[in-house]
Amino acid sequence: DSGVTQTPKHLITATGQRVTLRCSPRSGDLSVYWYQQSLDQGLQFLIQYYNGEERAKGNILERFSAQQFPDLHSELNLSSLELGDSALYFCASSPREDRYNEQFFGPGTRLTVL
Amino acid sequence: AQTVTQSQPEMSVQEAETVTLSCTYDTSESDYYLFWYKQPPSRQMILVIRQEAYKQQNATENRFSVNFQKAAKSFSLKISDSQLGDAAMYFCAYKTRSQGNLIFGKGTKLSVKP
Repeated sequence: DSGVTQTPKHLITATGQRVTLRCSPRSGDLSVYWYQQSLDQGLQFLIQYYNGEERAKGNILERFSAQQFPDLHSELNLSSLELGDSALYFCASSPREDRYNEQFFGPGTRLTVL
Repeated sequence: AQTVTQSQPEMSVQEAETVTLSCTYDTSESDYYLFWYKQPPSRQMILVIRQEAYKQQNATENRFSVNFQKAAKSFSLKISDSQLGDAAMYFCAYKTRSQGNLIFGKGTKLSVKP
């Protein structure tokens, strides 16, 4: 158990819908990263937050957004869902940004868009 | 572009034997860190081993060791005395000091034969 929690574990929804994925980092970790794992694109970095502020963006679509709250949990919002958004979404946390610190991964949320 | 290449989509090893998984990467930065992650069927991302680029000595963690060739930008993983529990997807990744997110390869699926 990495100490990072993600809810829900599984999510099945329809095209055009909007979903919210939730991540709680390890106690004391300030940085949260979101990654998408799909069959065709592999593991891709989406976005990073540090202590409530957005710090880096990767291959995140405009239909996707995220935020980190004062209690440091983070939410990834996916809207106007398409079939291609079906993937495993990971959240990872680390104590400090831009330093050599292990990123601890949550168990992931599997999103299926029908 | 920053990339990680794992040239072996699938590998197979006999139980108790040794196997080496290949990884090459491309970055123009000099300060970076390299990782191997294991993803078993449970989909959890588990850190296997890590290497700091400025350290010449190859990292080892029990049965896992790396062969880090900085000039060649190569970072292979050697698994000794392979066990059935080693069967998983293995991802090579790196992060630079200037950006905190991990950049992953496409992965190598390792099968262990009894």
